[in-house]
Amino acid sequence: SQQGEEDPQALSIQEGENATMNCSYKTSINNLQWYRQNSGRGLVHLILIRSNEREKHSGRLRVTLDTSKKSSSLLITASRAADTASYFCAQVNDYKLSFGAGTTVTVRA
Amino acid sequence: GAVVSQHPSWVICKSGTSVKIECRSLDFQATTMFWYRQFPKQSLMLMATSNEGSKATYEQGVEKDKFLINHASLTLSTLTVTSAHPEDSSFYICSALRTDSPLHFGNGTRLTVT
Repeated sequence: SQQGEEDPQALSIQEGENATMNCSYKTSINNLQWYRQNSGRGLVHLILIRSNEREKHSGRLRVTLDTSKKSSSLLITASRAADTASYFCAQVNDYKLSFGAGTTVTVRA
Repeated sequence: GAVVSQHPSWVICKSGTSVKIECRSLDFQATTMFWYRQFPKQSLMLMATSNEGSKATYEQGVEKDKFLINHASLTLSTLTVTSAHPEDSSFYICSALRTDSPLHFGNGTRLTVT
């Protein structure tokens, strides 16, 4: 499956700061999804952005999509300790999800 | 909202035995489910696509005789790791496809083969 790349691999920030992570993908997409995974748990869907959308918001989350650069970014504003998790982008083609390597975010209280 | 239940959460088995993992969609029918494998600190790798009433579609490099998938009903898919070996130890996650909705994931199964 085609996998994207995410950067940074890991991120440590202070509570209240913003966290930004980026995702690049290789092939054309129907949509791109962001998921969160707490250690040793399954994935929780955060937000979906369609290929014809450029920006989407959900609570403290903001996702952008640049199809010309085949990249997306996830911004978490005013981070909280509970935001500590791994975040994955996933590109969707024919209902199959291909996941990026993920960004591990640690929010320090 | 929709929930996918995966069972067991963790299992420890001896080398050479087989382990079955269940994935259930609790409040919707899922004709398609996906099985992923995740090694520590790595991303999810799609193993196979499970289709109700038909054979599973395996990704390249995944042994179909090793990882048996059965999707006998619209709410249940099972993954059986046959003749498990220590290198099969991993975190296995299923997800279910619901029309016009993002994938819903189970909470994963931690398999340890001793």
